[in-house]
Amino acid sequence: AQKITQTQPGMFVQEKEAVTLDCTYDTSDQSYGLFWYKQPSSGEMIFLIYQGSYDEQNATEGRYSLNFQKARKSANLVISASQLGDSAMYFCAMREGNQAGTALIFGKGTTLSVSS
Amino acid sequence: DGGITQSPKYLFRKEGQNVTLSCEQNLNHDAMYWYRQDPGQGLRLIYYSQIVNDFQKGDIAEGYSVSREKKESFPLTVTSAQKNPTAFYLCASSPGVGTTDEKLFFGSGTQLSVL
Repeated sequence: AQKITQTQPGMFVQEKEAVTLDCTYDTSDQSYGLFWYKQPSSGEMIFLIYQGSYDEQNATEGRYSLNFQKARKSANLVISASQLGDSAMYFCAMREGNQAGTALIFGKGTTLSVSS
Repeated sequence: DGGITQSPKYLFRKEGQNVTLSCEQNLNHDAMYWYRQDPGQGLRLIYYSQIVNDFQKGDIAEGYSVSREKKESFPLTVTSAQKNPTAFYLCASSPGVGTTDEKLFFGSGTQLSVL
């Protein structure tokens, strides 16, 4: 079974609109972390936002917020006021447990296209 | 500036040839990782290293080898046993402090193609 599921291969939004990118996860660990990364066409991976399993409030970073619903095991990324530069691939990822150097598990990604 | 350097940016492999992808970091991170990215597949873990002189296989280690002789360097060799090596390869590092918020820092990637 997939640990991270991103069901939207592609999303389209107009400038200045908000968009939600879906992510569900599967883990039996009580302690875990959830991450979102952005990958522009250049290929670099840019860290956007982090949410810990014990965090009671949803994480926010500027125009990015994470809608964390622990019981549903979902960690959706919300981008407010989309900009043309937001067009990219977006990956949801998870770290299970807190052992040093544990690798992130990534989803298959969602391609976001922002139009003017 | 601190960061992760991957080289070369583009690499071509002939049939039966081994090729090595370079990854160097000056972030003083203990942990390093190699991921493979195929279109529509997301990132899949090849190998990772939590400390110098130690490394573990990831989900798709077959046909690949690594070494970690120095803290700064984690080269990946794509051997002739890897029958479908064409992909985008990403190297990453993290402090290795053992917290759930430990994010990965990535290099700019190497695109490997088969001639």
